[in-house]
Amino acid sequence: QVQLQESGPGLVKPSETLSLTCTVSGGSISSYYWSWIRQPAGKGLEWIGRIYTSGSTNYNPSLKSRVTMSVDTSKNQFSLKLSSVTAADTAVYYCARGPAVAGTHYFDYWGQGTLVTVSS
Amino acid sequence: QSALTQEASVSGTVGQKVTLSCTGNSNNIGSYAVGWYQQISHGAPKTVMFGNSLPSGIPDRFSGSKSGTTASLTISGLQPEDEADYYCSTWDYSLSAQVFGGGTKLTVL
Repeated sequence: QVQLQESGPGLVKPSETLSLTCTVSGGSISSYYWSWIRQPAGKGLEWIGRIYTSGSTNYNPSLKSRVTMSVDTSKNQFSLKLSSVTAADTAVYYCARGPAVAGTHYFDYWGQGTLVTVSS
Repeated sequence: QSALTQEASVSGTVGQKVTLSCTGNSNNIGSYAVGWYQQISHGAPKTVMFGNSLPSGIPDRFSGSKSGTTASLTISGLQPEDEADYYCSTWDYSLSAQVFGGGTKLTVL
């Protein structure tokens, strides 16, 4: 059974960089798309971006200037960095897996989510 | 403003059939299959449908369809445990990004 687990600081100061890691267990990280999705309290889901195991990325246009994603296949992990954070970046952050099948774009496994609060 | 439009709320009684809709355009729903995600009490989302394919472990009372730029998730024989927020999502090739609907709150009366 594939499992995803987010980890990282739960509190980040304004203007600093949010850093999260997602560890994949129960399956290989290879040949899939790996996404980050966030949800502010009381609001809907927002896709942040994705990375393929080759390292190619796609980012949400509204966040692109602040987002960097990376993948470490040796550790079965992928990571998110979001720079210059403000209170508006406070949210539960989820990682999710997407099958790399031509013409299909969906998520089959999700992490449990981790709350990141931006506050001084 | 979400790229995909969903009803804010839908309700139904136990045993009833309900349909949730998700409307987009030719750049997204018109070009790709849609995934549906169930979120119970603000827990982690769970995939309940992709296109018209049912993931393993999801009851077959869930079904999916699409017509043009509108996708639908139908729950036949509504159960109390189906009460949740439901989100639709797909790819948008003009944005080169995954887009979500704003979510539908399903209440089981």
